[in-house]
Amino acid sequence: DIVMTQSPDSLAVSLGERATINCKSSQSVLYSSNNKNYLAWYQQKAGQPPKLLIYWASNRESGVPDRFSGSGSGTDFTLTISSLQPEDVAVYYCQQYYVTPITFGQGTRLEIK
Amino acid sequence: QVQLQESGPRLVRPSETLSLTCTVSGGSISVYSFYWGLIRQPPGKGLEWIGSIYNSGLTYYNPSLKSRVAMSVDTSRNQFSLRLTSLTAADTAVYYCVRAASSIAGTGEVDSWGQGILVTVSS
Repeated sequence: DIVMTQSPDSLAVSLGERATINCKSSQSVLYSSNNKNYLAWYQQKAGQPPKLLIYWASNRESGVPDRFSGSGSGTDFTLTISSLQPEDVAVYYCQQYYVTPITFGQGTRLEIK
Repeated sequence: QVQLQESGPRLVRPSETLSLTCTVSGGSISVYSFYWGLIRQPPGKGLEWIGSIYNSGLTYYNPSLKSRVAMSVDTSRNQFSLRLTSLTAADTAVYYCVRAASSIAGTGEVDSWGQGILVTVSS
């Protein structure tokens, strides 16, 4: 299985400041045939199911605010929130869909400082 | 916009079998390029993919659960189902029905989630 490791486990950021969450996969999730990274990011607010934010490592899902961005390639990826808003308090997960079983990171809890 | 709804028992006894049904509305389960699946989340913990099924009946299961899992699809009812056998307390979780894009792994990114159903395994 591909192991997804997120850092940090929790993060406190001031409103309006940048938040950065990292995700590392135990093997590359870059498919050389199409040069795509099979990596997604999700946001889960308390009491709700997760919501897809980013797919193909850097493609923003429709309706997701542009303060959310994804970057990285191969084994190292980053989710960045450029200007933290109160509604961004949540747990964030990365997921690889390069091989079965698809696997998730352990989650990063984001709070307001 | 597609919606998914989980239905099934909320309390199951150890060693018994869990049967969950996922009902899809707002779209056809027979549409190409989407897989239908289940992901679970133990209370206060992370996400675990259980398995996925295509409208043809092609399935992918998590190897960690493969011996205990079976999924089926009923396109006439726009539903898919999960059977999970030999339950233990470790199977206590919120079970989410999901729709995922197709990928080289079978299941791709998950773009639609049900609200989830908490299933507790206890005597």
